[in-house]
Amino acid sequence: EVQLVESGGGLVQPGGSLRLSCAASEFTLTTTDMHWVRQVTGKGLEWVSAIGTAGDTWYADSVKGRFTISREYGKNSLYLRMNSLRAEDTAVYYCASWGGSSWSWGQGTLVTVSS
Amino acid sequence: DIVMTQSPGSLTVSLGERATINCKSSQSILYSSNNKNYLAWYQQKPGQPPKLLIYWASTRESGVPDRFSGSGSGTDFTLTISSLQAEDVAVYYCHQYYSTPQAFGQGTKLEIK
Repeated sequence: EVQLVESGGGLVQPGGSLRLSCAASEFTLTTTDMHWVRQVTGKGLEWVSAIGTAGDTWYADSVKGRFTISREYGKNSLYLRMNSLRAEDTAVYYCASWGGSSWSWGQGTLVTVSS
Repeated sequence: DIVMTQSPGSLTVSLGERATINCKSSQSILYSSNNKNYLAWYQQKPGQPPKLLIYWASTRESGVPDRFSGSGSGTDFTLTISSLQAEDVAVYYCHQYYSTPQAFGQGTKLEIK
């Protein structure tokens, strides 16, 4: 069973930065595509970013140029570096993995952008 | 970009009755080389992450009750709950993972009549 645990959320001012982390097993990090998906409270799901097993990365237009996805094998972690944060980035951020045969999701971490 | 459109936006069904949720993609999400539809269905209850029910449009995730089934191909898909139980009250989402940006339907809120 794939286990994903997000952390790093919190309150940040507009224009500020935050780095989210997702703890996963080494096997998961090396063999699956990893994604970030967010959800504004009471709203639907929005795909944010992904990193493939070969290191290729993809971003939603809404975060391109501001967010950076990366992974660190030695720490068994996936990251989402978020810069120039806006009020509309306020959401629960989920880490998810696709191993070619199923989707696994973490519990999410809340990011609040407010002054 | 592929757009996913779910219908209805909300649904009220009696216990024991059938519930049907539809999802339409703006272009085909059937990959011809493996004949698989890159579509998943999720159930989400308040305060919880999405729970995977179905992937490859019709493959039930391990542990999901067999009253949940997925069907369809190409651009039109359906999630069916054959006999609604009280614990099925939730919001349901479809999700295309055929291409980036990946996309979700807007959700269908399922309630008991």
